[in-house]
Amino acid sequence: AQSVTQLGSHVSVSEGALVLLRCNYSSSVPPYLFWYVQYPNQGLQLLLKYTSAATLVKGINDFEAEFKKSETSFHLTKPSAHMSDAAEYFCAVSYSGNTPLVFGKGTRLSVIA
Amino acid sequence: DAGVIQSPRHEVTEMGQEVTLRCKPISGHDYLFWYRQTMMRGLELLIYFNNNVPIDDSGMPEDRFSAKMPNASFSTLKIQPSEPRDSAVYFCASAKTGAYNEQFFGPGTRLTVL
Repeated sequence: AQSVTQLGSHVSVSEGALVLLRCNYSSSVPPYLFWYVQYPNQGLQLLLKYTSAATLVKGINDFEAEFKKSETSFHLTKPSAHMSDAAEYFCAVSYSGNTPLVFGKGTRLSVIA
Repeated sequence: DAGVIQSPRHEVTEMGQEVTLRCKPISGHDYLFWYRQTMMRGLELLIYFNNNVPIDDSGMPEDRFSAKMPNASFSTLKIQPSEPRDSAVYFCASAKTGAYNEQFFGPGTRLTVL
């Protein structure tokens, strides 16, 4: 069965520091991978997606993620955290055939001034 | 373009009452998903539709929950009777065939059952 593991339910970084949110997936076939962000009291919005093109994917607000097949990982990074990045981040995976996304449990990012 | 629209945004009701949540997907999308989000259980898929037909309702917690999609532009999630443990944020999302299963989420309905 498809699954996604997000390491760390809560990550705290200082403003200006590197953001690294980890995501590993289980897969025997090439996946589609997504990162969504949820700001307080809002729905989920797409940050970026991997759809088997470039392995390094750039998203909104300077976030990027790298697909590493050998490590079955799709970690999310941002060079310099901003206070406005404080939110919940979800990694999700799906495969061809219009199957629903499988979401990780989420990682809450706090940014300290 | 309008995104996924959900109503109401907030609902407060008393235990035993019927609750109906509404969703309008993005025009042209043929998949619709209902999710529930709580602190304890995170984001859970309740049911999803393709071309207005329910495909998988295995996430619906019990018979008190029902969902319908009478046409391509409208879906409802009904809870009858409601219980305090149903308090959660309910999200609707839609997707389009052939678009890598990317889902677009609505703003959610925050349900409080007293």
